Amino acid sequence: AQKVTQAQTEISVVEKEDVTLDCVYETRDTTYYLFWYKQPPSGELVFLIRRNSFDEQNEISGRYSWNFQKSTSSFNFTITASQVVDSAVYFCALSEAYSNTGKLIFGQGTTLQVKP
Amino acid sequence: KAGVTQTPRYLIKTRGQQVTLSCSPISGHRSVSWYQQTPGQGLQFLFEYFSETQRNKGNFPGRFSGRQFSNSRSEMNVSTLELGDSALYLCASSLQDSRETQYFGPGTRLLVL
Repeated sequence: AQKVTQAQTEISVVEKEDVTLDCVYETRDTTYYLFWYKQPPSGELVFLIRRNSFDEQNEISGRYSWNFQKSTSSFNFTITASQVVDSAVYFCALSEAYSNTGKLIFGQGTTLQVKP
Repeated sequence: KAGVTQTPRYLIKTRGQQVTLSCSPISGHRSVSWYQQTPGQGLQFLFEYFSETQRNKGNFPGRFSGRQFSNSRSEMNVSTLELGDSALYLCASSLQDSRETQYFGPGTRLLVL
């Protein structure tokens, strides 16, 4: 069965610290897609990144970077030099390639608090 | 390009009533999915529509239903509301399906009293 686990429920850091949010997934499929979303207090889920299972290259976008390791079924997200505006709930999600529908399986989310 | 819009943003209902929520996808997107978010259960998939047809449904009772119109706009309906239906209902759209990026609307916060 598909499953996404975000073991860290809450993380609190001081501004400018680096922080890594963990995501572990389970799927029987060999082709799948992984996503990260950010949910600020307003409630809207903001798309951050999409990665397919054949692309294990790490990605960096400004202060954000993602480490995808198929061997450990992990897709971790690192924020470098965190800022107060990074405070939000972050969700990791999984979609299987054979599923031609709109179903995403979400982790429980990690609440990140960045203190000034 | 305008994002996903949802109306209303906030809603208060009483037990036993029914409610209809609306979602307008990004122009050109044909897949619309609905999710329920609660503190206890997190984000759960409700159903997805594509070309006016329901392609997938989550594990929710039949009180939850939806439809999609020819312009890809979608509505979801909850009949006989229960206290446990209080949640943030999020709508997402994508070009075709969940293999592509889903873009979410701001959600509708439903409170059932």
